[in-house]
Amino acid sequence: DTAVSQTPKYLVTQMGNDKSIKCEQNLGHDTMYWYKQDSKKFLKIMFSYNNKELIINETVPNRFSPKSPDKAHLNLHINSLELGDSAVYFCASSQGILGNQPQHFGDGTRLSIL
Amino acid sequence: AQSVTQLDSQVPVFEEAPVELRCNYSSSVSVYLFWYVQYPNQGLQLLLKYLSGSTLVKGINGFEAEFNKSQTSFHLRKPSVHISDTAEYFCAVSDLGTDKLIFGTGTRLQVFP
Repeated sequence: DTAVSQTPKYLVTQMGNDKSIKCEQNLGHDTMYWYKQDSKKFLKIMFSYNNKELIINETVPNRFSPKSPDKAHLNLHINSLELGDSAVYFCASSQGILGNQPQHFGDGTRLSIL
Repeated sequence: AQSVTQLDSQVPVFEEAPVELRCNYSSSVSVYLFWYVQYPNQGLQLLLKYLSGSTLVKGINGFEAEFNKSQTSFHLRKPSVHISDTAEYFCAVSDLGTDKLIFGTGTRLQVFP
């Protein structure tokens, strides 16, 4: 059973397009996250949601819009894709927002902008 | 936490040798500390964490780490590595009471036969 699953695994698209990445967790966690990992493997938090409420919103362009329909799902929609958006996007989940519980990561979505 | 520094971007080592991956952090408050491992084309997996208590923390796959508050370090060690330990290792920090993880830039551990 996959704990945190992301779809699609690979996404190749052209500049200017709009795309979405979906994430689902079956761990019963109440907090979910989106991270961006660049070509140098640097990993940075973008957003977090706790029980469908936005908790962390880093300095991310407003072309990126997360949406949490319920606490088991956190999707990421990206408008007007740019070359610099090429990266691996990871979804993660954990229990609570106090930071003392580990985060469980999906396998990532590799986004390539042509 | 304000930053995490992993001084070694790559660490080559022979199988069965010991290894230490270094991690230093800066923060004006108390922190939680984590080490994650990333195998190729996979997400991150938790190796170990320090929340409070004993400064020596044991994790999975024979890894351990020691929290040193005075040196603001959390170095990862393994007494004898295997080929299967070849991966990217990330140190991460969050301020006490928050879940915002700040990651280091990662250390690529390459184990040779």
